[in-house]
Amino acid sequence: GENVEQHPSTLSVQEGDSAVIKCTYSDSASNYFPWYKQELGKRPQLIIDIRSNVGEKKDQRIAVTLNKTAKHFSLHITETQPEDSAVYFCAAPGFGNEKLTFGTGTRLTIIP
Amino acid sequence: SAVISQKPSRDICQRGTSLTIQCQVDSQVTMMFWYRQQPGQSLTLIATANQGSEATYESGFVIDKFPISRPNLTFSTLTVSNMSPEDSSIYLCSVEALMGAHGYTFGSGTRLTVV
Repeated sequence: GENVEQHPSTLSVQEGDSAVIKCTYSDSASNYFPWYKQELGKRPQLIIDIRSNVGEKKDQRIAVTLNKTAKHFSLHITETQPEDSAVYFCAAPGFGNEKLTFGTGTRLTIIP
Repeated sequence: SAVISQKPSRDICQRGTSLTIQCQVDSQVTMMFWYRQQPGQSLTLIATANQGSEATYESGFVIDKFPISRPNLTFSTLTVSNMSPEDSSIYLCSVEALMGAHGYTFGSGTRLTVV
């Protein structure tokens, strides 16, 4: 099945700086790569996703890049704000592109 | 995207008992997924619930411990059976977004504490 690795496990950045979280996956058949944000005590919320027919997707301060050859994808958050503090999870579906396998998560802390 | 109602939101249970968690979706979906999130950890898929057939369990999870029902395209239940303290976790159901939309949506979760 799919194996997803995520780095770093924790990340602290000054408010206004950028944050980058990276994930690698194992199954070359995967073609959908979402990112979730989970605030304390709440459900994971989809913040951005990308399909394998594009290399980059941007939504305001958030962007995701995908390198299918190297089998890795990254989340970029620019101009970070205190409300960006949360745990972020990447995921990939593997063969059949149905069920999601999640990365281990990154706890992002924005320092005011 | 789909709206999922999950209940109970939390429960404290005695070891050896069972708890059934319900998820109701506001639209028909082919597959529903059940995840476990242990404290401070990532989400681990327990099983995929398909309407009209038995659930498909991931490695490490068995039907006797986590029986699942899927009576129709909008509803599913997960039972945590013969509970022990190690079953204390958050359990979440998830569905794929509506046709034409992207992403998977999660229910609000059930925080289970076994004492």
